[in-house]
Amino acid sequence: AQSVTQLGSHVSVSEGALVLLRCNYSSSVPPYLFWYVQYPNQGLQLLLKYTSAATLVKGINGFEAEFKKSETSFHLTKPSAHMSDAAEYFCAVRKGSNYQLIWGAGTKLIIKP
Amino acid sequence: GAGVSQSPSNKVTEKGKDVELRCDPISGHTALYWYRQSLGQGLEFLIYFQGNSAPDKSGLPSDRFSAERTGGSVSTLTIQRTQQEDSAVYLCASSPSSGGVVETQYFGPGTRLLVL
Repeated sequence: AQSVTQLGSHVSVSEGALVLLRCNYSSSVPPYLFWYVQYPNQGLQLLLKYTSAATLVKGINGFEAEFKKSETSFHLTKPSAHMSDAAEYFCAVRKGSNYQLIWGAGTKLIIKP
Repeated sequence: GAGVSQSPSNKVTEKGKDVELRCDPISGHTALYWYRQSLGQGLEFLIYFQGNSAPDKSGLPSDRFSAERTGGSVSTLTIQRTQQEDSAVYLCASSPSSGGVVETQYFGPGTRLLVL
């Protein structure tokens, strides 16, 4: 069975500091992995996705994520946090050959001025 | 172009009442998904439509939940005899197709349901 674990329900960083949001997955087949962001009172928006083409994936708004098979991780990073990055971030894995996504519980990113 | 829209944005109902939630997907998108997001939890898959048919209803939590899609477009999620544990945000998403490629799902803003 596939699952996704996001470490830390809340992460707080200072403006300008590195953002690191952790995601670990379990999958018996090569996974397809996604990061979505949910801004307050808005719908979920795709940040980036891993589809086995390249292990380092660049997304929107300066975010990127690296797929590490040996660590079963797909952590999301951004070199310098902006106040506008404050949102909730969700990691998801596609369920086998199915379209269904299995979701992590989410991490709320708080940016301190 | 227009994104996925959902209505109502908020719904407060009394325990035991029926509710209907509506989703308008992006025009031309054949695949449609319903999810439930409870407080502090990730998204829970409910049902998937390809066109008007629902090949996967595995996520519906009970027989009080049903959904339909007409004309390959608008979908309605109905919850009968609502319970307090049904309180959550119900999210709809659509994608162009589900032909086995890794597609992006486009989400609506959700309907926040509160059952008193």
